[in-house]
Amino acid sequence: EAQVTQNPRYLITVTGKKLTVTCSQNMNHEYMSWYRQDPGLGLRQIYYSMNVEVTDKGDVPEGYKVSRKEKRNFPLILESPSPNQTSLYFCASTPLLALGQSYNSPLHFGNGTRLTVT
Amino acid sequence: DAKTTQPPSMDCAEGRAANLPCNHSTISGNEYVYWYRQIHSQGPQYIIHGLKNNETNEMASLIITEDRKSSTLILPHATLRDTAVYYCIVLLDNAGKSTFGDGTTLTVKP
Repeated sequence: EAQVTQNPRYLITVTGKKLTVTCSQNMNHEYMSWYRQDPGLGLRQIYYSMNVEVTDKGDVPEGYKVSRKEKRNFPLILESPSPNQTSLYFCASTPLLALGQSYNSPLHFGNGTRLTVT
Repeated sequence: DAKTTQPPSMDCAEGRAANLPCNHSTISGNEYVYWYRQIHSQGPQYIIHGLKNNETNEMASLIITEDRKSSTLILPHATLRDTAVYYCIVLLDNAGKSTFGDGTTLTVKP
């Protein structure tokens, strides 16, 4: 089944303890992206990646790192989590069409990771 | 990417058509209008997208005004399972920056 898989689904941690949220897709998509969702603020983009070894900042990258060493995986790393990073996180992916065409294939989202930092 | 404005909430009777409006007055000529929905706190689900022409698929219809400054998502026969938050976003393409606003919370009532 084609899907985007995030792990863990729920995570409670303490301030300053490094953590990684994994995201994996089995659709051979070039593009992957991370979002956070907070009440009243919609989904805000953290980082995105157009392909292996290519990453760019979204609207709210501070406090996060990402890597894209393999096409299928796009982990989100919080080196020193703080309570203001308590949020619901989503990973998404989409294929990129050939050059000359706009990339208007829809985004496929994972089921989310609810992170609580105390 | 152009900003969008949606009403925060709407109600609809089960079996009736749900018409969800979206304003995107600053849309540029090559930007697409996308609609997604999110049920509870699950990952958003793609519904439909369009550039200029009206579009229809098995889930919904998308009506885009001639000046492209607004659009309407139509769920022709709303069911209780259509209760969700609906997001309208405008993008040049999906492979770049994208931010979803607060969307419209649609409540379908029996």
